[in-house]
Amino acid sequence: DTGVSQNPRHKITKRGQNVTFRCDPISEHNRLYWYRQTLGQGPEFLTYFQNEAQLEKSRLLSDRFSAERPKGSFSTLEIQRTEQGDSAMYLCASSLVGQPQHFGDGTRLSIL
Amino acid sequence: AQTVTQSQPEMSVQEAETVTLSCTYDTSESDYYLFWYKQPPSRQMILVIRQEAYKQQNATENRFSVNFQKAAKSFSLKISDSQLGDAAMYFCAYRTGDYGGSQGNLIFGKGTKLSVKP
Repeated sequence: DTGVSQNPRHKITKRGQNVTFRCDPISEHNRLYWYRQTLGQGPEFLTYFQNEAQLEKSRLLSDRFSAERPKGSFSTLEIQRTEQGDSAMYLCASSLVGQPQHFGDGTRLSIL
Repeated sequence: AQTVTQSQPEMSVQEAETVTLSCTYDTSESDYYLFWYKQPPSRQMILVIRQEAYKQQNATENRFSVNFQKAAKSFSLKISDSQLGDAAMYFCAYRTGDYGGSQGNLIFGKGTKLSVKP
């Protein structure tokens, strides 16, 4: 069990650029979740996958946000045409169905 | 919609003393889970303790215990014999039960920043 891994740890980009974050879950976990955490707030649910199927995406903040988990293993979260308000920590978590979620270290996004 | 409220933005405790962090929640469901997560500065969120709503007995994990009051929708965390390493943000979180179609996503409160004084 190597834990949930997220890359990069920190991403700095200019407004209007596209960014992609990667999450490698714990290998046997079939569920993968993405959350966003802004300063002074608790994490906010964005989307989740069960195996390769994205079962909820209505909570993604806008159509600029998209996520994939092509083979049911790692996942990517992409933000297109970044805006100042996208600056936040993006957290990934994985679990087995019905079991507690294990979180990664997160990717901190800073928009210049 | 379910909500989680943590009314204490910051708390402070002396090393070796006991501190209680408060959490209330709102739900119309009868089957759910409650959690306390710890998030040290610049480090990952770690599960501290979990409580199944159907269990009347309060969960304990070493120095950490909860006071679960289902009727009052209250779920407080007690940390005994506080240590310097306990300093962190603590988040209370709610998850619906494991019925068919349950997404399993967590709903978090805003957190309580705990400081431990030597």
